[in-house]
Formats: sequence, C-alpha cells, structure tokens
Amino acid sequence: QQPVQSPQAVILREGEDAVINCSSSKALYSVHWYRQKHGEAPVFLMILLKGGEQKGHEKISASFNEKKQQSSLYLTASQLSYSGTYFCGTAIFGNEKLTFGTGTRLTIIP
Amino acid sequence: DTAVSQTPKYLVTQMGNDKSIKCEQNLGHDTMYWYKQDSKKFLKIMFSYNNKELIINETVPNRFSPKSPDKAHLNLHINSLELGDSAVYFCASSQEWGGSTYNEQFFGPGTRLTVL
Repeated sequence: QQPVQSPQAVILREGEDAVINCSSSKALYSVHWYRQKHGEAPVFLMILLKGGEQKGHEKISASFNEKKQQSSLYLTASQLSYSGTYFCGTAIFGNEKLTFGTGTRLTIIP
Repeated sequence: DTAVSQTPKYLVTQMGNDKSIKCEQNLGHDTMYWYKQDSKKFLKIMFSYNNKELIINETVPNRFSPKSPDKAHLNLHINSLELGDSAVYFCASSQEWGGSTYNEQFFGPGTRLTVL
C-alpha cells in the first residue's frame, strides 16, 4: 500500500524551514528518504529503522515515530540546492520491497 | 566512475514495436530492480532480481520481460509497445536482498521511453 506524503508541494524562500510527512496505515519495517532533481535519478538521503529514531546529516534530518507508521523529513535553513521532489520509500514486515510515496515537490526561491 | 548505468537514455518508438533497455552496475551489488516513473512522478517497482534470480514480479503486463545474464546486469525487454508504456524507466541496485529494506538503493540515470 502506497504511503501518503504531505504536502504535495511547497515553495520556500532561501533560509526557511520545511517539514515533509510520510504516513502509512501499517507498521513499517523501515523508511527511506530520496530526493530527485528534475530530469535526474532519485538519490538516497537516509534510512530509519527504529521507532523513535531521529537521524540526519547537515541541515537535513528525519524522524520515525514510536509506532513506526509515520516519518517526517526536516529541512532547515533551506538552500537553493534543496529544490527537487522528495520521496519516502517504505517497507513493511514480510514484504521486502520499497513502496514509494506520492512525492513532495519542494521549490526554493532566492 | 558510473555506479549504475543504463542505455539508451532516450528511446522513441512506434506502437507495436519491441525494444530493450540495458542496465549495468559496477558496485558489486547482489540485487537489482526496475522501476517505472509515470508522468505524475509515481515511482513504482516492476521487478527485482537477487543474484540472477527473480524475486519480485509486480503486476506488470507480460509484454515486459526482465533478464539477468549475471548479477551485474539486468535488462528489460518490452514487446508490442503501447502508448501507456511511455514513462521513465529506472534501474537500481542495492547491496543484498532483504537489504533493500535497510540498505540504500542506487539508481541509474533513467531511460525516457516515448511511444508514438
């Protein structure tokens, strides 16, 4: 079952913060986050495996709630290079494939 | 050095034709995938191979046939192309089966297929 992402699209000015959410109706084994720039391939950002986990690198971080049904991606002090479409990919127990969310298109303007 | 490569990058063809897309990875990964991304940007898995063995075969028309001659290559052959097949097809790889759920996937640059 496809996870639901919100918002579908967001426009920010440089330096502003954004939160992208990914929700599933079932408990998840893992959540992956990818960013895809226009005309390019998706690129891996991070993976979360444990309920309550929070991890990140530079100004991009993510959390996985205790019930393992929701993850959020946090982009702090956004830069122009953050523009693109962000996808969460989820895996459920007993089904070893990634199902990607609907995507969130992020546009950063100067 | 290219990690996951695909050829061709663009493919324009007529309805009813047969075409193939090739994928190669030099990462030493055991698992490879084919994804389809439609015009709405939905990214959906089609097939997955682990060490040349078909593991995932989603609800895909049997006009699509993957083939893995070795674990570094995964090709996709499409028979009798239809308008609805127009999309971007991505090949990807990950370190190990099962690991697709806890290892990152590396995507190729994509092949944009246009069926006229």
